[in-house]
Amino acid sequence: KNQVEQSPQSLIILEGKNCTLQCNYTVSPFSNLRWYKQDTGRGPVSLTIMTFSENTKSNGRYTATLDADTKQSSLHITASQLSDSASYICVVSDFSGGYNKLIFGAGTRLAVHP
Amino acid sequence: DTGVSQNPRHKITKRGQNVTFRCDPISEHNRLYWYRQTLGQGPEFLTYFQNEAQLEKSRLLSDRFSAERPKGSFSTLEIQRTEQGDSAMYLCASSLGQGTSLPYEQYFGPGTRLTVT
Repeated sequence: KNQVEQSPQSLIILEGKNCTLQCNYTVSPFSNLRWYKQDTGRGPVSLTIMTFSENTKSNGRYTATLDADTKQSSLHITASQLSDSASYICVVSDFSGGYNKLIFGAGTRLAVHP
Repeated sequence: DTGVSQNPRHKITKRGQNVTFRCDPISEHNRLYWYRQTLGQGPEFLTYFQNEAQLEKSRLLSDRFSAERPKGSFSTLEIQRTEQGDSAMYLCASSLGQGTSLPYEQYFGPGTRLTVT
């Protein structure tokens, strides 16, 4: 069964600190892996997209890594800001249907405190 | 605003009533997706359109649910005889797509929050 699991479920950090969120997946066939940020009550917004051949990708203070052999990914947030408070969702794409069908994790809820 | 829009943003209805949601995708996007998200969970795939053709439906989409994209532009999602378990955020997304595995970005709308009382 295709699954995406994220840890931790929730995280509280102080403003300015760094943090790393984890994602493990069992999706096959694997096409690409995405990280989304979702503010409460809003739709998800893409942060990064990585194909199986990419090991790391950055978007400002966000850096995602991918190990396609172990089927693990991480999202590292540097110098956190209050506006980083949101849910971060790991999404793996399965192309078996001829299009990128997204399979979402449950997300990590991040709270950045002053 | 040229993003994905959804209407209404919030809908409260009584059990047994029918509801219809609308999604307007980014204008040049040929693919449109519907997802459902319950509290504390990630979105779950419901259905997918390429232009006006509905190409895949999740088993989550019971016979009370129907989605259309009549002219390959906007889409509607109708839920008949709503149940309390239908309470969720319904998200629409759109993307380009050419039948390759290229990771086209899916752009999400703000969602419609449905509450069934």
